[in-house]
Amino acid sequence: DQQVKQNSPSLSVQEGRISILNCDYTNSMFDYFLWYKKYPAEGPTFLISISSIKDKNEDGRFTVFLNKSAKHLSLHIVPSQPGDSAVYFCAAKSNAGNMLTFGGGTRLMVKP
Amino acid sequence: ETGVTQSPTHLIKTRGQQVTLRCSSQSGHNTVSWYQQALGQGPQFIFQYYREEENGRGNFPPRFSGLQFPNYSSELNVNALELDDSALYLCASSLGGRASSGNTIYFGEGSWLTVV
Repeated sequence: DQQVKQNSPSLSVQEGRISILNCDYTNSMFDYFLWYKKYPAEGPTFLISISSIKDKNEDGRFTVFLNKSAKHLSLHIVPSQPGDSAVYFCAAKSNAGNMLTFGGGTRLMVKP
Repeated sequence: ETGVTQSPTHLIKTRGQQVTLRCSSQSGHNTVSWYQQALGQGPQFIFQYYREEENGRGNFPPRFSGLQFPNYSSELNVNALELDDSALYLCASSLGGRASSGNTIYFGEGSWLTVV
């Protein structure tokens, strides 16, 4: 039973345009959500997070939106740059646990 | 550079053998978690160690075991290796027993294990 899902395995975007990566979850106990970026041969790098008490968090070109009623979050990257090309993972945690539950990842390709 | 180092970076083992993977956590971090990432999937939580004690475990069999040392470095041991154990094993270090804030969780670059 996948509690965190990223339904798009890949996404291709033109440089300068917006990239929107989506993530859905089923566990209503999740109260903190994170996005990680992963290049080949490297470990995941933390990008941005959001608490369940908020619906938006922004950090430079990266914004995460949370829709609790829909159990959906999204990561917006504006403007997209070729260096953003990587695999992006959505992860979630609950107060009751001490582990991160990851989605399957979305491979983003930003074309120059 | 996260300050989390893992060794070895790559290794090949035969089915039935045992393997030990090592992780040095970021300076000052007292919590280490291990994740398994199979090809094309997201990382799956194996277990976490906090102050040398196991502090949570995912859905992995007992042949996956671990240790944390007084300097907070950690080992992951896998016995009776199976072909499906082939994966990238990631170590994550953080402060505190719970992943209370995403920006305090740092991942190493992982150890690629191939079981043949």
